[in-house]
Amino acid sequence: AQSVAQPEDQVNVAEGNPLTVKCTYSVSGNPYLFWYVQYPNRGLQFLLKYITGDNLVKGSYGFEAEFNKSQTSFHLKKPSALVSDSALYFCAVRERSSNTGKLIFGQGTTLQVKP
Amino acid sequence: DTAVSQTPKYLVTQMGNDKSIKCEQNLGHDTMYWYKQDSKKFLKIMFSYNNKELIINETVPNRFSPKSPDKAHLNLHINSLELGDSAVYFCASSQDRVGANVLTFGAGSRLTVL
Repeated sequence: AQSVAQPEDQVNVAEGNPLTVKCTYSVSGNPYLFWYVQYPNRGLQFLLKYITGDNLVKGSYGFEAEFNKSQTSFHLKKPSALVSDSALYFCAVRERSSNTGKLIFGQGTTLQVKP
Repeated sequence: DTAVSQTPKYLVTQMGNDKSIKCEQNLGHDTMYWYKQDSKKFLKIMFSYNNKELIINETVPNRFSPKSPDKAHLNLHINSLELGDSAVYFCASSQDRVGANVLTFGAGSRLTVL
């Protein structure tokens, strides 16, 4: 069964510093991988996805993520954090072979960027 | 123009009541979903429909009944509400149900059962 783990409930970063939000996954075969962000009292918004090819994926708002097949990870990164990046971040996975398209989310990581 | 809209945004009701949440998307997508986000912010898929056909039914109690009158609408009816049903319910849609399709989420409907 497919699963996603985000090992940190919360990540605290000072504004201007680099940030990393971790994600590891377990699926059969190669996955499609996604990051979504949820601001307070809002729905989730898509940030970026990995399909194939280059392991470094660039997305919205200066975020990027690195796919590492051997470590089954897809960590979210940003070189310089902004206070406005403070939000709840979800990693998600979908099996390529799935005929239902079921998208499984990790438990979420709260990013707190302090001025 | 909201892409995925849900109504109502807030719903407060007593245990045992029946309530519905409506969802509409104007993106022309073929697939729609209901997700439940609990108090710990954990997101769990409940149902998905593709062109009005039920695709995913994720061991949800049969008190929950989705209905898709057309591919732009997916409603959720809940019978005999229980305290544990309190959550935020998100509707989402995607172009198709497989591949690298991205989900577009509504703003959520917060259900509080007293």
